[in-house]
Amino acid sequence: NAGVMQNPRHLVRRRGQEARLRCSPMKGHSHVYWYRQLPEEGLKFMVYLQKENIIDESGMPKERFSAEFPKEGPSILRIQQVVRGDSAAYFCASSGDYGYTFGSGTRLTVV
Amino acid sequence: DAKTTQPPSMDCAEGRAANLPCNHSTISGNEYVYWYRQIHSQGPQYIIHGLKNNETNEMASLIITEDRKSSTLILPHATLRDTAVYYCIVRPYPVSGGYQKVTFGTGTKLQVIP
Repeated sequence: NAGVMQNPRHLVRRRGQEARLRCSPMKGHSHVYWYRQLPEEGLKFMVYLQKENIIDESGMPKERFSAEFPKEGPSILRIQQVVRGDSAAYFCASSGDYGYTFGSGTRLTVV
Repeated sequence: DAKTTQPPSMDCAEGRAANLPCNHSTISGNEYVYWYRQIHSQGPQYIIHGLKNNETNEMASLIITEDRKSSTLILPHATLRDTAVYYCIVRPYPVSGGYQKVTFGTGTKLQVIP
C-alpha cells in the first residue's frame, strides 16, 4: 500500500527557471493538499485540490505559483520564474480515515 | 491561524516519559484532537487522535481533559529517535470526500537527551 509519493526529493533551480513538483496521493485518495515549509518555520497551507478542481487556493501566492490535479496522473505544483525566497520544503498530503498522510517532500533550492 | 497553542520546546531524558501539552480552548464539539510529528527533514507523521476519551496506540497515549480544552501527548519511554517537532491540531473527523483543510501551528520541538 504505497503512501503519498513526491518527486523529485531534491530540486535545484537557477533564478528565473521553472520548478515542477509532483505528488501522487495514496491509492484511492482523490484529494491533495500542498504545504510549504520555509527553513526553521512551520507548515503553511497552500492549496487543496480534487481531481480536475481547485477547491481552496487561499494560501497560494498570487503570482508565479499554480497547481493542478488532472484526471490522470499526479498533482503538479508549478513555480514559474523562481526566486531565492522560494527555497523551501514542499509537502503534499492526501486525506483518509486517519487524517492526513504526508509525502516525504520536495526540497527546492534556488541558486 | 492555528487553533492550538503549544510550548515551543521541551527536553526529555532518554527512557523517561515525555509529556507534551496542547491548549485548544476553542475546540468545537465535532472536532478531534490530532497529533503529528516531524522528524528532521521528513514529512509529518501521524501519531494519534481522539475526541474525548483517552486513547493509546503503539506509539503514544493521548489524554484529553474532561472539558476538552487541553490535551497531553505521552511518549512513555522516549528514545533519541523521538526527537522531533510535535504538532497538535484540531479538525473535524475526516468524511470521505470531505474538505479537511488543516492549519498547523509551530509545534513543540522535543529534544530527547541521552
